[in-house]
Formats: sequence, C-alpha cells, structure tokens
Amino acid sequence: EAQVTQNPRYLITVTGKKLTVTCSQNMNHEYMSWYRQDPGLGLRQIYYSMNVEVTDKGDVPEGYKVSRKEKRNFPLILESPSPNQTSLYFCASSRQGANTEAFFGQGTRLTVV
Amino acid sequence: GENVEQHPSTLSVQEGDSAVIKCTYSDSASNYFPWYKQELGKRPQLIIDIRSNVGEKKDQRIAVTLNKTAKHFSLHITETQPEDSAVYFCAARNTGGFKTIFGAGTRLFVKA
Repeated sequence: EAQVTQNPRYLITVTGKKLTVTCSQNMNHEYMSWYRQDPGLGLRQIYYSMNVEVTDKGDVPEGYKVSRKEKRNFPLILESPSPNQTSLYFCASSRQGANTEAFFGQGTRLTVV
Repeated sequence: GENVEQHPSTLSVQEGDSAVIKCTYSDSASNYFPWYKQELGKRPQLIIDIRSNVGEKKDQRIAVTLNKTAKHFSLHITETQPEDSAVYFCAARNTGGFKTIFGAGTRLFVKA
C-alpha cells in the first residue's frame, strides 16, 4: 500500500531535549516536505526537499533541522525543543514536478513542556 | 512574504445547499492550486486541484474555479451532505519548486 509513515504519532517531551520525528514514504517520490499545523494558521511549511541531499527552508524553519540522505526518508530534528514548537506535524511527499498531488502522513502531535 | 488568504473561516450550511470557499494568493508565479479536506483527527487529503492553464474543473459535486488575473480561486460544493463536514484548505504552489503556501482553513458544518 502506498503511504507516508510518521513516527511517533504522539510525543510529550521536555524543553531542550533533542528529538527526531521520522518520515518514510514508499512511493519513490522525489519531493518531501514538513508542515506544522496550528489552530487558525493552517499548514505552514517548515522545510522541503526536492531530492536526496537537496533541502530548503520553508516559511517557519527556525528551530528545526532536516536531512535527506535517502530518497524514502526525511526526518525532522528538533535540537532543543521549546514550548512554542508544540504543534501537530505532518510530513508529505509527491512526485517530481510542480503540479503533483502531495500525500500526507498521519501526523505527529508534539507537546513540549 | 507570499501568502494565501482563505474565507470564510467557518461556514455552516443546511444539507442539500451549496457551499463556496474563496482563496486569494499573492505570488504571481503560482501555477498549481490544490484543495485538501481534513476530517477531525485525520490527515489532509486532496479532493481536487487546478492548474494555471485551466479556468474551471469539476468532479461530481465539487468544482474549482481559477481567475489568474485576480489571483483568486474558489471551491464549490453542491448538494452538501453531512459527511462533507470537515476543514478545507486551499493552497498555492509556485513553478520554482515545492514551496507550497496554505490558507488558514475553512471549517464547514453541514446540518442534517
């Protein structure tokens, strides 16, 4: 089954404790992206990647890192999480080309206390 | 920076009525405009999209219109049903890459 898989689904952590949210897709998509969803703000793009070893900042990259060492994986790293990073996070992937549908993962609800 | 404005933020309609959600974008280089539906606790899923060389697209009860001159696009849902109740997001993507800007979302309630 074609899918985008995020882990974990839920995470509660403390300020400053490094964490990684994994994202994996099995559709051989070139493009992958991370979003955060907050009430009243919609989905805001954090980082995106157009292919292996090619990443770029979205609209809200501060406090986040990503890497794209393999085509299927695109982890999101919070080196020193803060409470304002409490949010619902979605990973998405799509085929190469500007006019292609994005497939979203199930979401990761992160709480930083 | 570039942005997408979406209105209304909340929309309540009676079952069987039509619903219209409107979006305006600022980036002239945008050329792909998807609409996503997000049910409570679930991931966003594409329901319809339109490319910049097309003015209108229809899929059963759902249609999208695009006015590139005005930088405006709209989602139309006819004969609404309770299962249409969800949050709907519009988005705009530019030709340069994968940078996608989403609207803030519209929460649609369809009353039976």
